[in-house]
Amino acid sequence: ETGVTQSPTHLIKTRGQQVTLRCSSQSGHNTVSWYQQALGQGPQFIFQYYREEENGRGNFPPRFSGLQFPNYSSELNVNALELDDSALYLCASTPKNSYEQYFGPGTRLTVT
Amino acid sequence: AQSVTQLDSQVPVFEEAPVELRCNYSSSVSVYLFWYVQYPNQGLQLLLKYLSGSTLVKGINGFEAEFNKSQTSFHLRKPSVHISDTAEYFCASGAEGRRALTFGSGTRLQVQP
Repeated sequence: ETGVTQSPTHLIKTRGQQVTLRCSSQSGHNTVSWYQQALGQGPQFIFQYYREEENGRGNFPPRFSGLQFPNYSSELNVNALELDDSALYLCASTPKNSYEQYFGPGTRLTVT
Repeated sequence: AQSVTQLDSQVPVFEEAPVELRCNYSSSVSVYLFWYVQYPNQGLQLLLKYLSGSTLVKGINGFEAEFNKSQTSFHLRKPSVHISDTAEYFCASGAEGRRALTFGSGTRLQVQP
């Protein structure tokens, strides 16, 4: 069984640019969540998608947006990048009728 | 609102010694609790979970945790650690009706030979 995968692994962007990060859920999982993990901190919840709709959002501005596709894969888009957006972005999927989340390896975003 | 507090930012321990990583939570509703491990430059791996039932839960790699409702704690334990257990450990909580997880700030376990 394939786990959660994310692409790209690393990314360097310039302040003001836009970025798209991608995530493929684990087979049989229908909920996808995105987290931001700054260096030395715990992950912070960005938002969650269920049945292709946003199903909860953390304390992040609207320039953070997402999509979930019919195959349960997902994208995280960040517009107008700021230096503080530099972090590890983690995607997690949840099995149907369950609560535990399974994480991908993350995308390391550096904004210069 | 939920919150998770990991009481120790770093825990140094010698190989083959026992270890306990402490976690306290606060929640106004039924809570689900998890421990994750993160190795350098990697994502989070689920160690164990408490959803309901027995308060002592066993996980992978010889770890276990005990849910204590009266003390709102979910401490992680291992009777004998290995060098390979050196990593960052995160406690997290979820709640009925909300599947987002709230994480603690992490505890770095450093196992010394």
